Amino acid sequence: GAGVSQSPSNKVTEKGKDVELRCDPISGHTALYWYRQSLGQGLEFLIYFQGNSAPDKSGLPSDRFSAERTGGSVSTLTIQRTQQEDSAVYLCASSLEGTSGGATQYFGPGTRLTVL
Amino acid sequence: KQEVTQIPAALSVPEGENLVLNCSFTDSAIYNLQWFRQDPGKGLTSLLLIQSSQREQTSGRLNASLDKSSGRSTLYIAASQPGDSATYLCAVRVQTGANNLFFGTGTRLTVIP
Repeated sequence: GAGVSQSPSNKVTEKGKDVELRCDPISGHTALYWYRQSLGQGLEFLIYFQGNSAPDKSGLPSDRFSAERTGGSVSTLTIQRTQQEDSAVYLCASSLEGTSGGATQYFGPGTRLTVL
Repeated sequence: KQEVTQIPAALSVPEGENLVLNCSFTDSAIYNLQWFRQDPGKGLTSLLLIQSSQREQTSGRLNASLDKSSGRSTLYIAASQPGDSATYLCAVRVQTGANNLFFGTGTRLTVIP
């Protein structure tokens, strides 16, 4: 079946512009995650959705970052007034999560964001 | 805060060799540990997931072990092939807070034909 998809695959923007990144999780997956992978660094957690609500926003690096999820499916990550340090690969994952937190996370191919 | 370390950072081996990748984590209160591979420009592919109650998982030429009390996991790859060349990441999910994964920085494996 279809996996996690993300769009766009690449995004180049100018400093100060806003960008929106999209994630389509695997159908039926209740949990959705956003991670960021900066050059030379490991993956860092940004935000987690269970259904449409985000019980944990602790990973968002600043108030320029926000995310929403609608219909328990598609999610968008918005970065306002982008800065050069926002350049990274943004990865989305989904899982069929109960309350115990033990399910496998399946990752999308990522969006490579470059801020000039 | 959970910290995950992977050693070595990079490894080159001739084709056919068996190899071991290491992962250590600081907080033993985990739900599970997952090994992924990442190919250049691609997303992550899940290889093996070990629940906290398990000691090991096997899939084909891959075997992952977990020693939760000592905070360690190993990924064993038997009879390595050039197609195994990739970055291997381990990640743990903690029992408190969010359901997110904490990732190591990876081991870049090159299998030389």
